[in-house]
Amino acid sequence: GAVVSQHPSRVICKSGTSVKIECRSLDFQATTMFWYRQFPKQSLMLMATSNEGSKATYEQGVEKDKFLINHASLTLSTLTVTSAHPEDSSFYICSADPGQFRLGYTFGSGTRLTVV
Amino acid sequence: ILNVEQSPQSLHVQEGDSTNFTCSFPSSNFYALHWYRWETAKSPEALFVMTLNGDEKKKGRISATLNTKEGYSYLYIKGSQPEDSATYLCAFMLGNTDKLIFGTGTRLQVFP
Repeated sequence: GAVVSQHPSRVICKSGTSVKIECRSLDFQATTMFWYRQFPKQSLMLMATSNEGSKATYEQGVEKDKFLINHASLTLSTLTVTSAHPEDSSFYICSADPGQFRLGYTFGSGTRLTVV
Repeated sequence: ILNVEQSPQSLHVQEGDSTNFTCSFPSSNFYALHWYRWETAKSPEALFVMTLNGDEKKKGRISATLNTKEGYSYLYIKGSQPEDSATYLCAFMLGNTDKLIFGTGTRLQVFP
């Protein structure tokens, strides 16, 4: 089946540094990738939708200059958290539509970011 | 603000018990309802994508129903097994978009 590989699974960084999270679709082409964030005891919240070869679409309240998304190829989307602060500590996860509607979306395994 | 609610938040059952959870979603502008199963340290896995009012889906011991007019879906697990322990997420898809709006999930623990 369709697989999305997400790395790293965990990262700890110092406040003020930037962190890049990668999501790769391994056996299908993902023209669109969705990026979510989940805070404790809350639901997965859509942050942005990345589109191959064009600018990402950000949800209301998500700072596009802070969360840089690049979708340069049909199999790779990256999320860079720039100048990370402790309040950015969260669980980030990506998903993509493998193109078979009835089978749902395929998710990465998520990245736990801790900013110290 | 579109809200998707799931209940209960958590559930502990004995092996062999049958159980069910609820997902409530907006009844207007409906396109699809997704159910996912999310085991700890793994990726969420799609269970069902439901689109039609009255739809019923089944995969092994797991089944789901959909009522788009009143805005709810039920997920049933028959004869729960310890390997069914996971968080079950539902997600509402708005008409004319490909975005999913998730509930907070129901965390199921099945004890042997």
